[in-house]
Amino acid sequence: LAKTTQPISMDSYEGQEVNITCSHNNIATNDYITWYQQFPSQGPRFIIQGYKTKVTNEVASLFIPADRKSSTLSLPRVSLSDTAVYYCLVGDGGATNKLIFGTGTLLAVQP
Amino acid sequence: EAQVTQNPRYLITVTGKKLTVTCSQNMNHEYMSWYRQDPGLGLRQIYYSMNVEVTDKGDVPEGYKVSRKEKRNFPLILESPSPNQTSLYFCASSLGREETQYFGPGTRLLVL
Repeated sequence: LAKTTQPISMDSYEGQEVNITCSHNNIATNDYITWYQQFPSQGPRFIIQGYKTKVTNEVASLFIPADRKSSTLSLPRVSLSDTAVYYCLVGDGGATNKLIFGTGTLLAVQP
Repeated sequence: EAQVTQNPRYLITVTGKKLTVTCSQNMNHEYMSWYRQDPGLGLRQIYYSMNVEVTDKGDVPEGYKVSRKEKRNFPLILESPSPNQTSLYFCASSLGREETQYFGPGTRLLVL
């Protein structure tokens, strides 16, 4: 069974770059690693997905080392509206099609 | 509009009274899941379905049942709810297991 670990919370200021790391062992070998953002009283929303090395889209970058035992979500120049909970999502490494969410990191962005 | 809908959005019930939370998606997605979200525990998968008539247990299936008779619908059934099933429940769907998941608005359940 895959296990994931994320920091419970992080603080930042507007305009700073924020890096949130998720540790995940025993994930499915061929699965992508995905990150979601969640605001209060809403369902999670897709941010970015990658398999290895680095992926970048218009809102974030995702860094995945060769051993794929962790991944780092990078948010450039955060704003107040980026205050939310961020989750990593991985496939279970066993012979199942389960998905395992991280415990989530609450990012608080201050002016 | 492409969406996942859940009903009801809020529900208060008593221990042992069977209930069903409906989930429906209009995106022709094959993979559907139910999650529960509890403070400090994040989102935990209850059950998932790879396609019609194919369902399997997630991490926390005890006390829940599901069915997938049609591609678009994936109801969550609590045969005999207990207070420890008080939680926020999300349904999600995606083209496949690794594809982007689209979440419903959530159902907040209180079991007295």
